[in-house]
Amino acid sequence: TQLLEQSPQFLSIQEGENLTVYCNSSSVFSSLQWYRQEPGEGPVLLVTVVTGGEVKKLKRLTFQFGDARKDSSLHITAAQPGDTGLYLCAGMSGYALNFGKGTSLLVTP
Amino acid sequence: SAVISQKPSRDICQRGTSLTIQCQVDSQVTMMFWYRQQPGQSLTLIATANQGSEATYESGFVIDKFPISRPNLTFSTLTVSNMSPEDSSIYLCSARGLAGVGTDTQYFGPGTRLTVL
Repeated sequence: TQLLEQSPQFLSIQEGENLTVYCNSSSVFSSLQWYRQEPGEGPVLLVTVVTGGEVKKLKRLTFQFGDARKDSSLHITAAQPGDTGLYLCAGMSGYALNFGKGTSLLVTP
Repeated sequence: SAVISQKPSRDICQRGTSLTIQCQVDSQVTMMFWYRQQPGQSLTLIATANQGSEATYESGFVIDKFPISRPNLTFSTLTVSNMSPEDSSIYLCSARGLAGVGTDTQYFGPGTRLTVL
């Protein structure tokens, strides 16, 4: 099992602030996925990144896959209370999707 | 995208009993998986559900404890057998390999929240 380290583990910010969540590994992944999970629900896929150096934008969310395909970042601009949740990165290696421990984000009005 | 439903959504069970969780995908998919998420933790892969053959279990999970069926390309079940309080967790069904979508894109069901007393 390849380990994915996410940081920070917890983040509490005010509405309107920017933030970046990091996902790092010593292993290379064929792709990396970001999910958001709200309490009592399953993870919801936000994005899949496949190519090293790839940048994808989803409204106020910007995802980047590292050139070496070992790490990724999620940047949120002008965070909203609706962004609150657990953000999980997951790397695909072979058949298995390996998850990081997640970043719990709280955005207060 | 794929829509995945699970039944039951939650249950409270007595020690020593078994519970079967059903997972239905609205489209044919090549791969289905079962994960466990303990309170405040990330997701751990239990097994890959293989159509028409025995599931492939990850280290630490065995067929006698977590029997899995996958009779077709859209349906799977996970049974949690002889339950103990340590089995209290959220069990998540997941699917990948939806036609027309990248093979790496993986979707999750809403989860089954199990409490064992």
